[in-house]
Amino acid sequence: IVLTQSPATLSLSPGGRATLSCRASQSVSSYLAWYQQKPGQAPRLLIYDTSNRATGISARFSGSGSGTDFTLTISSLEPEDFAVYYCQQRSHWPPMYTFGQGTKLEIK
Amino acid sequence: EVQLLESGGGLIQPGGALRLSCAASGFIFSSYTMTWVRQAPGKGLEWVSDISDSGGTTYYADSVKGRFTISRDNSKNTFYLQMNSLRVEDTAIYYCAKINCGIDCSLENWGQGTLVTVSS
Repeated sequence: IVLTQSPATLSLSPGGRATLSCRASQSVSSYLAWYQQKPGQAPRLLIYDTSNRATGISARFSGSGSGTDFTLTISSLEPEDFAVYYCQQRSHWPPMYTFGQGTKLEIK
Repeated sequence: EVQLLESGGGLIQPGGALRLSCAASGFIFSSYTMTWVRQAPGKGLEWVSDISDSGGTTYYADSVKGRFTISRDNSKNTFYLQMNSLRVEDTAIYYCAKINCGIDCSLENWGQGTLVTVSS
């Protein structure tokens, strides 16, 4: 599978609302995960099983979608939210994890 | 608190070998599938390999199959990535991660990464 994220870069102001998209080339899983990565840091799990927030993740982050189209929404952007976001799916055969190419969320 | 600590990275010539280690703590290591993910400089994330809780099942990305071997020692709460026949394109930060499966599987916890540079 190929995961295509859009847009590649999203420029928004603090307090704004971010909508990040991830589209799968084929429907191999009904579920998707989202990760946040800040410069010089490891990725961090934000959302799993499409819409469940990981431990300690703010309610400003929400995930939705089904089939081949998934969305990560960040409401009321905080300065610490500006980072790169990756989506990820797991295929069952061959067993492997696929990541999208990332969306960079930058301060406008 | 879950902690994952990678070690073993460094500068290696093309064709050389390196073994990465990931020491885990804060959870029942022997109950979880573990994985390696890499990130080339300035690039995105690429899954490399994973190993089942018992170590009996392993999977590899096509890009490393036949060259890399994943293994684990549950008595030491550590798993490994033996990398042979290294290529320039293997240059990356290598992260170890703990996989958690709800309805589907995701990478719940990550180490800070270890840099592998393959260069002459």
